[in-house]
Amino acid sequence: GQQVQQSPASLVLQEGENAELQCNFSTSLNSMQWFYQRPGGSLVSLFYNPSGTKQSGRLTSTTVIKERRSSLHISSSQTTDSGTYLCATMTNSAGNKLTFGIGTRVLVRP
Amino acid sequence: NAGVIQTPRHKVTGKGQEATLWCEPISGHSAVFWYRQTIVQGLEFLTYFRNQAPIDDSGMPKERFSAQMPNQSHSTLKIQSTQPQDSAVYLCASSLDGADTQYFGPGTRLLVL
Repeated sequence: GQQVQQSPASLVLQEGENAELQCNFSTSLNSMQWFYQRPGGSLVSLFYNPSGTKQSGRLTSTTVIKERRSSLHISSSQTTDSGTYLCATMTNSAGNKLTFGIGTRVLVRP
Repeated sequence: NAGVIQTPRHKVTGKGQEATLWCEPISGHSAVFWYRQTIVQGLEFLTYFRNQAPIDDSGMPKERFSAQMPNQSHSTLKIQSTQPQDSAVYLCASSLDGADTQYFGPGTRLLVL
């Protein structure tokens, strides 16, 4: 089945720094979704991005299907960006369920 | 738009008791998904309904777990004879047609003592 690998596992940033989070998947997919989660909080959908590049504020998601990877770029990080970022894939072979990576834990220091 | 609603937010049960978790999807969404999140396993798919019909329950433990969607406005996940290893956050998500963006509820944190 689909396997989703995220890197790095954790990241510490100084406020204002940029960061790039990676998501690699083992089989071709129908869609890619990025989520944000605070400790004890719910999953907030950031991007639904099956291919190409999408931007929302300081966040940019790029998915390259042929290379089986997706990235999430955070520019000018802020302390409020601290939390866990999860990517999830949906594939034909897996039906419509999402297969999640383990997440990247981000800490932004003031 | 109230988002996906899940109740209760927290539930504590004794080993062997039954737990029923409720989910109200976003109005107009035809697909409902259940997932489970633990520190050890991360996020795992449990089951999926579309237009109230069960489509995929490949992630559901074969014993003690069942899910229903009696009408378009709510779904339930029932765990019989709860065990400590059932302790987790149970998340419900809905999407417009099943193949697009999934929106998650706040989850129900289940603790089995």
